[in-house]
Amino acid sequence: ETGVTQTPRHLVMGMTNKKSLKCEQHLGHNAMYWYKQSAKKPLELMFVYNFKEQTENNSVPSRFSPECPNSSHLFLHLHTLQPEDSALYLCASSRDTSRRTDTQYFGPGTRLTVL
Amino acid sequence: GDSVTQMEGPVTLSEEAFLTINCTYTATGYPSLFWYVQYPGEGLQLLLKATKADDKGSNKGFEATYRKETTSFHLEKGSVQVSDSAVYFCALSDTGTASKLTFGTGTRLQVTL
Repeated sequence: ETGVTQTPRHLVMGMTNKKSLKCEQHLGHNAMYWYKQSAKKPLELMFVYNFKEQTENNSVPSRFSPECPNSSHLFLHLHTLQPEDSALYLCASSRDTSRRTDTQYFGPGTRLTVL
Repeated sequence: GDSVTQMEGPVTLSEEAFLTINCTYTATGYPSLFWYVQYPGEGLQLLLKATKADDKGSNKGFEATYRKETTSFHLEKGSVQVSDSAVYFCALSDTGTASKLTFGTGTRLQVTL
C-alpha cells in the first residue's frame, strides 16, 4: 500500500449507531488531518494531529471523536450523528505542521450517509 | 481571516480548448498557494503549487503563477483533454497557520469531444 488509505469507502448508518472511520498513511509523515467535504461548501478542516498530539479542533461537535494512536494511523469515531453530517470525510497527511510550503496528501475519502 | 475565491462552475469546454480557472485569495501573511484536483470518486491530488510571489507552478500541462499584486493564482492549460474532467480546488496555507489549508469551493470542469 502506498500513500494515504481510508476505510471504509462507503458507510451508511442510523442516527443511533456507533461507527469508526480509519485512515492510514504510508508516507512517513508526522501530521494527519480530518476534513469534511459537503456539497457546494469549501472543504472544512476538522482536526489536526502532529506527532500524535491534537493541535487543532475546529469547533467540531463532540459526536465526532478523533483518535491518533501513532503517526501512521488516524481514526474518527462517530456516534449519534445527524443527517446533516452526511458528507465525504477526507483524511490527509503531511511531513509535519511547521511549514506552510508542505503539501498535504489526501486519501480517497469515506462517503458517509446518515439516515 | 484567510479566504479563497474561485470562479463558479461548471466550466464546459471542447477537447483542445484553452482553460482558465480564476482564483483570488485574501491572506494576512505570506501564503503558499496550491491547486488540487479531484477526479470522480477519488480524494484530492496536488496538481501544482507555488510558495512565493512570481513563482510559477506547473504539472501535466497545467500552470499557475503566484501574483501578489493582484492576489491571484489562476490555473491555465493550453489544450484540455477529456481526461482533465474533474473538480479543481484552489487553496492556500498561510504563515503562522501552516497546518491549515484554506480551500475555495471548487470548480467543476467538463471536457467534451
